Amino acid sequence: QSALTQPPSASGSPGQSVTISCAGTSSDVGGYNYVSWYQQHPGKAPRLMIYGVNKRPSGVPDRFSGSKSGNTASLTVSGLQAEDEADYYCSSYAVSARKVFGGGTKLTVL
Amino acid sequence: EVQLLESGGGLVQPGGSLRLSCAASGFTYSTYAMDWVRQAPGKGLEWVSSITSSGDTTYYSDSVKGRFTISRDNSENTLYLQMSSLRAEDTAVYYCAKDPGFYSMDVWGQGTTVIVSS
Repeated sequence: QSALTQPPSASGSPGQSVTISCAGTSSDVGGYNYVSWYQQHPGKAPRLMIYGVNKRPSGVPDRFSGSKSGNTASLTVSGLQAEDEADYYCSSYAVSARKVFGGGTKLTVL
Repeated sequence: EVQLLESGGGLVQPGGSLRLSCAASGFTYSTYAMDWVRQAPGKGLEWVSSITSSGDTTYYSDSVKGRFTISRDNSENTLYLQMSSLRAEDTAVYYCAKDPGFYSMDVWGQGTTVIVSS
């Protein structure tokens, strides 16, 4: 049950766009359209931002978008705002386990 | 308001046991699969266990298989995690979460802290 691979950090200036990657295999990310993304601020519970690769739950700003190519999923945050500074985790259905998370990416708004 | 409220965390000695509870409200609990996810201090999220809406099928991560048992009481809208043979590496904040489909988690509790230490 290997974790998905995310870069440990990402950054961008207010108003810019930033993309966070999430690399898996054909047994998880690449094999199913069940990739989710979560935002977590310090000391808080995670918040679902994207599900089903590219679907946004009600209440999530359309600045957040998801995509997938092969075994790698991506989260793009456009028009960066100060409140977007947080940890972001990807998750996917996995054949070897019900769900698997990425190691997380700390997004810094410069 | 849709809400999940965990309880039962605390300090336990290595090898000990603990039962976590998660009380659900504001949605039709019996129609959703549920999950437990944990986060060790300063670390990332780790999926622990899932249970189907009826409770007839359960799933576990390799790290807890054989030691943890997930269950649910749909008449009481409550999810449980029975933890035994606890190890120091089980120290974490444990979250329960609702799975609306697509193997995602759209509602999370506030978390309950488990510390395994002598």
